[in-house]
Amino acid sequence: QVLLQESGPGQVKPSETLSLNCTVSGGSVSSGSYYWGWIRQPPGKGLEWIGSVYFTGNTYYNPSLKSRITIFVDTSKNQFSLKLHSVAVADTAVYFCARWDVLLGGGYDYWGQGTRVIVSS
Amino acid sequence: QPVLTQPPSASASLGASVTLTCTLSSDYSSYKVDWYQERPGKGPRFVMRVGGSGIVGSKGDGIPDRFSGLGSGLNRYLTIENIQEDDESDYHCAADHGSGNNFVYVFGTGTKVTVL
Repeated sequence: QVLLQESGPGQVKPSETLSLNCTVSGGSVSSGSYYWGWIRQPPGKGLEWIGSVYFTGNTYYNPSLKSRITIFVDTSKNQFSLKLHSVAVADTAVYFCARWDVLLGGGYDYWGQGTRVIVSS
Repeated sequence: QPVLTQPPSASASLGASVTLTCTLSSDYSSYKVDWYQERPGKGPRFVMRVGGSGIVGSKGDGIPDRFSGLGSGLNRYLTIENIQEDDESDYHCAADHGSGNNFVYVFGTGTKVTVL
C-alpha cells in the first residue's frame, strides 16, 4: 500500500519561503514509473496544480507559479519537497502531495491527506 | 491549454443516478480528463480517466462498479448509479496538456454532489 505524508509548518509569514516535504512509504521515489506532484486547494476554492518532479530531477511547473517554486526529490529519504518563495496571503491553502503513475497513462492515483498552510503575519 | 468547465452543483435522490459533466474548451475534443472525488481529511481519490470513447485504463482503487465514464465531443461524463450517502462529495475533473517543459495539468472548478 502506497502512502504519502505531507509535513511542514502550519503557518508562514508573508514574503517568507514555505517548505513542505512529502514522505513516501510502500514505494520508491527513485522508480522510473512515477512522477511526484504537488497540488493545493485554497479555502472554498478548487484544486490547483503546482508542479511535479521525476526521479531524475526533471521538473514541471505551473506557469503561474514557476518563478516562485522549486520542487526536488531526495532519494536518500524517499521524499520529495516543495519550496514556495515570497509567499502571500493568497498562498493560504491545503497542500497535497500525490503520485502520477506513468504506466496508468496519467492521473494522480495516490494522494497524501494534505497539510493546511496559513500565510499570516 | 484547455479550460475545463463543470457545473457547480448536482443532486440525486438516494439510490438514483447522477451524471456529472466536464466540458473541455474548443479545440481540445481529443483530450482525456481525470475524475477525482474529494474526501475531507483524506485527500482526493482518483476515480477514473475518461476519453472520447469512454474509460481509459483502470478505475482508481476501491472505486465501485456504480461509477462509469463516457465521452462525447467536448464533454466527459462521470455517472454514479445507485448513489449512496457516501458518494456525497465534490468531484473535480482535470486534464494534462503539453509535454516536457511545457507540461501543465489543469483542474476544473469542481461539482458539489448532494444526495437527497
